[in-house]
Amino acid sequence: AQTVTQSQPEMSVQEAETVTLSCTYDTSENNYYLFWYKQPPSRQMILVIRQEAYKQQNATENRFSVNFQKAAKSFSLKISDSQLGDTAMYFCAFPNAGNMLTFGGGTRLMVKP
Amino acid sequence: ETGVTQSPTHLIKTRGQQVTLRCSSQSGHNTVSWYQQALGQGPQFIFQYYREEENGRGNFPPRFSGLQFPNYSSELNVNALELDDSALYLCASSRTSGGDAETQYFGPGTRLLVL
Repeated sequence: AQTVTQSQPEMSVQEAETVTLSCTYDTSENNYYLFWYKQPPSRQMILVIRQEAYKQQNATENRFSVNFQKAAKSFSLKISDSQLGDTAMYFCAFPNAGNMLTFGGGTRLMVKP
Repeated sequence: ETGVTQSPTHLIKTRGQQVTLRCSSQSGHNTVSWYQQALGQGPQFIFQYYREEENGRGNFPPRFSGLQFPNYSSELNVNALELDDSALYLCASSRTSGGDAETQYFGPGTRLLVL
């Protein structure tokens, strides 16, 4: 079974600084997607960014970018120019066969003013 | 474009009762997945529906059941509620073709408390 590991239960960053959240996964598949979701205190799970494994170029969405290392099975999320609204739980997710997401345990990010 | 909606937002039940949670998928989406999220943990996959049939199931007992309707909306039913069923229940919809195929978009969730 695929597993997803987020090794940082909590992190903090000063407003306007850059922070990187780590994620590793285990799979024997070759073509797949990887996702980062954000869950603020309002609890709605919001898609942050998506990476397609067959694409060598790292995905970028405004201040959010990923560092995808397929051989190392690593998928980290970099948040640049952190804002107070980035305070949330962040989950890395990997789809099993049939697009059933397996989530990591999450990283609680606190952005400090 | 209407996003994923869920009802109710909160629910309180007693042990042994039955509950039905509802989800309307995002416009253009044909697949619905349900997840259970216990406090302080990541979501756990319950099951997925595609073309009104169950398309995969996680490690949940048969008292967790579901339906998908022709308009792609879905229900999650839980019978014989147990205290451990207290959680946030998340619904997500996706589509099987298009630029964001296989990307799941989540609703706001239903918070269930079993007393």
